[in-house]
Amino acid sequence: GAVVSQHPSWVICKSGTSVKIECRSLDFQATTMFWYRQFPKQSLMLMATSNEGSKATYEQGVEKDKFLINHASLTLSTLTVTSAHPEDSSFYICSAPLRENNEQFFGPGTRLTVL
Amino acid sequence: GQNIDQPTEMTATEGAIVQINCTYQTSGFNGLFWYQQHAGEAPTFLSYNVLDGLEEKGRFSSFLSRSKGYSYLLLKELQMKDSASYLCAAMDSNYQLIWGAGTKLIIKP
Repeated sequence: GAVVSQHPSWVICKSGTSVKIECRSLDFQATTMFWYRQFPKQSLMLMATSNEGSKATYEQGVEKDKFLINHASLTLSTLTVTSAHPEDSSFYICSAPLRENNEQFFGPGTRLTVL
Repeated sequence: GQNIDQPTEMTATEGAIVQINCTYQTSGFNGLFWYQQHAGEAPTFLSYNVLDGLEEKGRFSSFLSRSKGYSYLLLKELQMKDSASYLCAAMDSNYQLIWGAGTKLIIKP
């Protein structure tokens, strides 16, 4: 099946710093990628839809100035958590759909801990 | 509004069969997905149904009834490694996935 990678796998940072997470589709092109956040023992929560060549679409309640998304190419989307705070500590997962069958392929996730 | 309902938690015995139900309400429908998620890991794809009926894939089967807005995931010959959360997700008319909260499946020896 198709492969989506994420980098880094985990990151620990100080409060107030910014963290960039990369999501790459390795063997297919993705004009759309999705960014999710998952808190412990909770389901995935869609944060935003990343669109190649245009602005991301954010879900209600997600601050676009805090969670910057850039989809610069057909294989790369980045999520930057700006001025991170401890409440931003979570598991961040990206996914990319395969156009042929709508299947979503997930990256392995990035565990962010903000001290 | 759009909504997905599935049980929060289920318990089953190793070697047995378990059925996890999911009901959905979406604006348009482009298919129903089941994913498995182990703690601390990303979800992995299990099945996709867009037509009514049963799709069998090894020990796992998935059923869909579009008229009832209902799906289930059937797991046979349960193994301890099947202990995980099972996520139901329906794709709406905009090809966006609407996620259920997940069903935590506990397998006992």
